[in-house]
Amino acid sequence: GAVVSQHPSWVICKSGTSVKIECRSLDFQATTMFWYRQFPKQSLMLMATSNEGSKATYEQGVEKDKFLINHASLTLSTLTVTSAHPEDSSFYICSARGTYTEAFFGQGTRLTVV
Amino acid sequence: SQQGEEDPQALSIQEGENATMNCSYKTSINNLQWYRQNSGRGLVHLILIRSNEREKHSGRLRVTLDTSKKSSSLLITASRAADTASYFCATDAGGSYIPTFGRGTSLIVHP
Repeated sequence: GAVVSQHPSWVICKSGTSVKIECRSLDFQATTMFWYRQFPKQSLMLMATSNEGSKATYEQGVEKDKFLINHASLTLSTLTVTSAHPEDSSFYICSARGTYTEAFFGQGTRLTVV
Repeated sequence: SQQGEEDPQALSIQEGENATMNCSYKTSINNLQWYRQNSGRGLVHLILIRSNEREKHSGRLRVTLDTSKKSSSLLITASRAADTASYFCATDAGGSYIPTFGRGTSLIVHP
């Protein structure tokens, strides 16, 4: 089946630095990718949707300047958390869908900002 | 709004017992997926069931889908302490639809 890979699985960064999370579709072309965030003991909430070659569409309340999403190719999307702060510590998950495929989810990335 | 809603929110059972959790959704879907998440860890894909399927098995897992009731169930048979985790259903209607997760069921299996 289709595989979506996220990297890294976990990352610790210092407050004020930026961190990039990659989401790759390994065996299909992902025309659309979705980024989610999970707060402790809660479900995964959609942050943004990105189509290859287009600007991402952000959900209400998500700061586009803090969470930079790039979907420059059909197999890769990146989420960059800029000037990270402890409150950005969370679990981030991507999902990818091809034109004729179902959406599959990555395993997630746990970000801890210290 | 959340598409999938798992029920119950929390489930506590003894090792060896069966655990059943349900997921209800609101709109028509192409498929529904179940995931497991251990505390503080990533998502583990369990089963994908498509809208034209009614039941799928994988080891001790059994998933059913009732599209007329817009619901799915996940049954874990002969549960083990290692099954302790949160379980989420994710629905996908394809096209421009945004796949969504339910709130999850927290399962605790006591040894």
